[in-house]
Parts: sequence; C-alpha cells; structure tokens
Amino acid sequence: GQQLNQSPQSMFIQEGEDVSMNCTSSSIFNTWLWYKQDPGEGPVLLIALYKAGELTSNGRLTAQFGITRKDSFLNISASIPSDVGIYFCAGQGYGGSQGNLIFGKGTKLSVKP
Amino acid sequence: DSGVTQTPKHLITATGQRVTLRCSPRSGDLSVYWYQQSLDQGLQFLIQYYNGEERAKGNILERFSAQQFPDLHSELNLSSLELGDSALYFCASSGTSGRPGELFFGEGSRLTVL
Repeated sequence: GQQLNQSPQSMFIQEGEDVSMNCTSSSIFNTWLWYKQDPGEGPVLLIALYKAGELTSNGRLTAQFGITRKDSFLNISASIPSDVGIYFCAGQGYGGSQGNLIFGKGTKLSVKP
Repeated sequence: DSGVTQTPKHLITATGQRVTLRCSPRSGDLSVYWYQQSLDQGLQFLIQYYNGEERAKGNILERFSAQQFPDLHSELNLSSLELGDSALYFCASSGTSGRPGELFFGEGSRLTVL
C-alpha cells in the first residue's frame, strides 16, 4: 500500500534554531498535510497544501507541496520551547475520502532552552 | 480543545475480551473517522462513517467493527483482543467548517491488552 517516508525520526535542537523535516512517497498525492501532536493530545492540523509547487506559511512554519506530488517539506524558523512535539506529514490520494489519510511515522522535535 | 470527545481515556483488559470505545464528534460534523496509533505502525486509518453510513474502510481487522448512531456519535468495538491490539485509538471528525483534509482529533483512548 501507499507509504510515506518521513525524516528525520527525531531532532534535538537549541532554541532559536531553524528546523527542517520532509516527507517522500513513491505514490502521488493530491493533498499534503502537516499535523502536530502534543503529549496526551490528538494531532492538530498546522498546514494544508493542495497544489503542486504550492508554498504556504503559518507564522513561523512554512511548508511546500513538491512539484512531483511525491514529497513535501516543513520548515520551522526560530524554534521555541512550545514547538516540542511530534510532527506528522499526511497525504491524501486521488479518489480517496477526505479523511482517509496516509500518515508518516512522525518527527519528534525536542528543543533545548 | 478540538470539540471531539472520546471515552474512556484509558482501558486495561485481558486477551480474548471485548471493549467498546465511544466518540462524540464536533457539533455539526457528519463524518467520523477512527485511527489506530501504535509505536511500530504509526497512525493508521481504520474506518469512516458519514451521517450513519459506512463511507470508507482502511486497515480494520475483521475482529473490529464500528457504527455511527442517529445522534452522530460513534462506537468502535474491538473483540477477541490480542496483545498486539494495545494502542492509542483516535476518533476524528470533519465537516464543512474545516479545510479539505482537516480532521479534528479527540484525545484518544489508550487500550492496554494484558
């Protein structure tokens, strides 16, 4: 079945540093999404991307939908302690129902103050 | 607070038993989704209901079943439980007020099978 390869698996960075993580797939997706999960909580949508090549920002977060439709990246600038959590990419394939998402395994972000 | 409520938050049971997880979606959302989150498999889509009808099925085992009631709450039934069923089970809902692909997740029900 479809799989998303998300990297890195974990990151341990200094407060103020920029962060970059990415997701690749062997399949084409028509929607890429980035979710964040805090401890004890469910995932929350950060950014949604709907067109190949689209670059979207949400505050200090920037994400892009790859031209090939098979990859996406998420950048976080000037990280702060509350950025700690697990970041998931998710893809929605053509013809799939809206909520039938394929999730990556996540990138665990830890921030040193 | 996503507006999605799941009960129970924690559940410990034995192999071979049956449990029911309950979910109340956000007010007005017609779609309910169930996901399983485990350490090795990550977040996996199980099943979707829309206004009481099954809409899509993912990697849901035959031992598992779900339904959505007229008041739109949903239940996920897990039977003949095995050790490998231990996981966090999330319910999510979506409606017309969110972005396409935006799911609102509950806090999850953590199932431990001993």
